[in-house]
Amino acid sequence: GESVGLHLPTLSVQEGDNSIINCAYSNSASDYFIWYKQESGKGPQFIIDIRSNMDKRQGQRVTVLLNKTVKHLSLQIAATQPGDSAVYFCAENRSGGYNKLIFGAGTRLAVHP
Amino acid sequence: GAVVSQHPSWVICKSGTSVKIECRSLDFQATTMFWYRQFPKQSLMLMATSNEGSKATYEQGVEKDKFLINHASLTLSTLTVTSAHPEDSSFYICSARRPTGNYEQYFGPGTRLTVT
Repeated sequence: GESVGLHLPTLSVQEGDNSIINCAYSNSASDYFIWYKQESGKGPQFIIDIRSNMDKRQGQRVTVLLNKTVKHLSLQIAATQPGDSAVYFCAENRSGGYNKLIFGAGTRLAVHP
Repeated sequence: GAVVSQHPSWVICKSGTSVKIECRSLDFQATTMFWYRQFPKQSLMLMATSNEGSKATYEQGVEKDKFLINHASLTLSTLTVTSAHPEDSSFYICSARRPTGNYEQYFGPGTRLTVT
């Protein structure tokens, strides 16, 4: 199977601070990107998505930024809460065929009171 | 969001036996479902794409004769791990995608397989 990276970096933040989680994707032809949150022992949960014709999209407390020039994606979480503690994955949609998602390595977010 | 279920949520089996995992989309018909495997502290790795009424498409390095996929209906896909070995112990996650709209996939809760 295909995946990007085997390491799981950790981002530690204080409750109330803003968090920024970064992701580098590999395929310049990818046309759709999603951020997922995964809690221990559970399946991924959709957070926010963005199409390649956009560079920014905002949701409730979350913002996704897309920089196609350097193939970089970021997730910003405002006023981080303890409930935000989880592993966050970016995923890129490889168009063509069955439009499969390829997941990034993931980042563990640890929120401290 | 859409609801996708998996059964069982966890299973323990002996080496050499086969295990079947079910994935169901509960509130929409999914022409395409996906199967992923996730080892501890690692990312999700796509194993195969399951299409209703046709053969699954396997990713490079995934043995199609070991991981049998059957997408018998628009709401059910099954993954059978045949002749399981301890190295097959992992977290198996399925997802389903609506036939229209964007490319969003709705994920199941995962199945923890332990092979002893």
